[in-house]
Amino acid sequence: GAVVSQHPSRVICKSGTSVKIECRSLDFQATTMFWYRQFPKQSLMLMATSNEGSKATYEQGVEKDKFLINHASLTLSTLTVTSAHPEDSSFYICSAKRGPAYEQYFGPGTRLTVT
Amino acid sequence: TQLLEQSPQFLSIQEGENLTVYCNSSSVFSSLQWYRQEPGEGPVLLVTVVTGGEVKKLKRLTFQFGDARKDSSLHITAAQPGDTGLYLCAGASSGAGSYQLTFGKGTKLSVIP
Repeated sequence: GAVVSQHPSRVICKSGTSVKIECRSLDFQATTMFWYRQFPKQSLMLMATSNEGSKATYEQGVEKDKFLINHASLTLSTLTVTSAHPEDSSFYICSAKRGPAYEQYFGPGTRLTVT
Repeated sequence: TQLLEQSPQFLSIQEGENLTVYCNSSSVFSSLQWYRQEPGEGPVLLVTVVTGGEVKKLKRLTFQFGDARKDSSLHITAAQPGDTGLYLCAGASSGAGSYQLTFGKGTKLSVIP
């Protein structure tokens, strides 16, 4: 299989605080992980591509200082939303790629609500 | 910028009917994936097509990749309520070797019992 987990599944935080979301590949090593954001009734928007041991590559318009990504091992990537604001409320989904294959395997998502 | 146009955006049909979802682009993709997503969950991979003209079947679902690798279709035969969900096509292209995915906007399918 190719199982990807995310933690937490839901988080509510106050405006101005930081939130960390973990993405783990449970049964394979992921050299590349991706972070997406999805607004209600919309498709997935790629935020950044994360390669193990190197800096993440952010998509245009995504603030790298606000959305900190760390890919410290072949099975773990983290996304930290710093100084969160209500407009950061969204569904954040990670995916992991296994080797050179095309497929990405997605985590179950994290629902972030900033009050 | 590569774009994937997916149609229709919404589809509501009766149980037992057939349907086709289309995914079109002016760009060539290395491969194309179809995913299904349920509310509050991550997308689940259904199939990957790589070769132009390729046809893959998954029970009642038939996937086709266009000869030029710019378009794809998903056909569901005798739809069932369990097929309800958001269907997403995603094209893979080599971006710095990372094979990023470009997603279509999705087709929200409702199958009415």
